[in-house]
Amino acid sequence: EVQLLESGGGLVQPGGSLRLSCAASGFRFSDYAMNWVRQAPGKGLEWVSAISGSAISTFYADFVKGRFTISRDNSKNTVYLQLNNLRAEDTALYYCAKDMVATTTPDYWGQGTLVTVS
Amino acid sequence: QLVLTQSPSASASLGAPVKLTCTLSSGHSRNAVAWHQQQADKGPRFLMRLNSDGSQNKGAGIPDRFSGSSSGTERYLIISSLQSDDEADYYCQTWGSGIQVFGGGTKLTVL
Repeated sequence: EVQLLESGGGLVQPGGSLRLSCAASGFRFSDYAMNWVRQAPGKGLEWVSAISGSAISTFYADFVKGRFTISRDNSKNTVYLQLNNLRAEDTALYYCAKDMVATTTPDYWGQGTLVTVS
Repeated sequence: QLVLTQSPSASASLGAPVKLTCTLSSGHSRNAVAWHQQQADKGPRFLMRLNSDGSQNKGAGIPDRFSGSSSGTERYLIISSLQSDDEADYYCQTWGSGIQVFGGGTKLTVL
């Protein structure tokens, strides 16, 4: 059974930083790209970033603008999202999601970790 | 620019069929999309990947009453017989060159 467990969210002041983690199990982690998707309170889903299985390729939404960094440790089956220079508009539930193939679509989702910038 | 457009809301009666629409921006008629369901206060759930030719790959455990179809730049999610559990937000999503895009979502109400 695929399981994705996010952690690392919390309350942070504007301009601050957080590191989100997502521990994965139930599949061969290094074979799949991984995604971060966020959802602001009462709003829709917004893709943030993706990383290939080998970690060679990374992709970001335009609004990230160099503030966020995605990475992964295949020896620990964990993907990370480093959030820097946070703004109030980054307040959201951040979901980790396994990709179906290679940076196409999430096919399994975690339960999310809440980031509040205030 | 890759954009997905969804109606904000839809409703149908229990047991009735419903068809949700996702429209790809011009020039992207060959894009596949995915449909995701999000019930209230829950994380999203992958329903299916839907290709431009109408072929589809459903997620694990997705009931047979969920299906998809395609026509031009339109991608449809069809629920054949609406159940109370189907009341949720439905998002379509597509991708290209490593970038992913979500539609604004459709809130489906079961009457």
